[in-house]
Amino acid sequence: GAGVSQSPSNKVTEKGKDVELRCDPISGHTALYWYRQRLGQGLEFLIYFQGNSAPDKSGLPSDRFSAERTGESVSTLTIQRTQQEDSAVYLCASSLPAGGLSYEQYFGPGTRLTVT
Amino acid sequence: AQSVTQLGSHVSVSEGALVLLRCNYSSSVPPYLFWYVQYPNQGLQLLLKYTSAATLVKGINGFEAEFKKSETSFHLTKPSAHMSDAAEYFCAVSRPTGRRALTFGSGTRLQVQP
Repeated sequence: GAGVSQSPSNKVTEKGKDVELRCDPISGHTALYWYRQRLGQGLEFLIYFQGNSAPDKSGLPSDRFSAERTGESVSTLTIQRTQQEDSAVYLCASSLPAGGLSYEQYFGPGTRLTVT
Repeated sequence: AQSVTQLGSHVSVSEGALVLLRCNYSSSVPPYLFWYVQYPNQGLQLLLKYTSAATLVKGINGFEAEFKKSETSFHLTKPSAHMSDAAEYFCAVSRPTGRRALTFGSGTRLQVQP
């Protein structure tokens, strides 16, 4: 079993452009999380998907950020009209259903986004 | 609401010395607590977790942590540091049910001197 994968690993974009980041969770993991890690800081929660339930978007910092997930598979995080403060490492994590007892989030390697 | 405070953004120890990384949390509900390690250019790896069972939790690589409710602490320790322990360590808290998104501390970078 492969772990969580993310692409691209690095992305450099110009201010004002849109970017799309991809996450492939571990097969069978119905819960999927996106986090952002700014330089020298801890991770901030962005959005949470659990199966076919409505996503929890409470961590998204602005309406320029959106995310989608098709069923229990791939998720994409989209940032529109990127700003320099969006520069960060974007991490995806997946886990078994949130109600499970052996809860653990498995993290991908992240996408390093640089907005110039 | 939940929050995590990690005291000391950088900690330096000698090889073979005790490692102590401090974490204090705030939570309105009984928390689940975690320590993650991040090696350079790698993803986060779970070291150990507290999920309301034993208060002394043992993890990988010889690390352990003790949940102290009265002190709202979950400090990470290792009796003898190894060079390979040099990394960044994050303490995190989550709710025991529902969304379970992790709230992270700002991290502590551990340096191990030969």
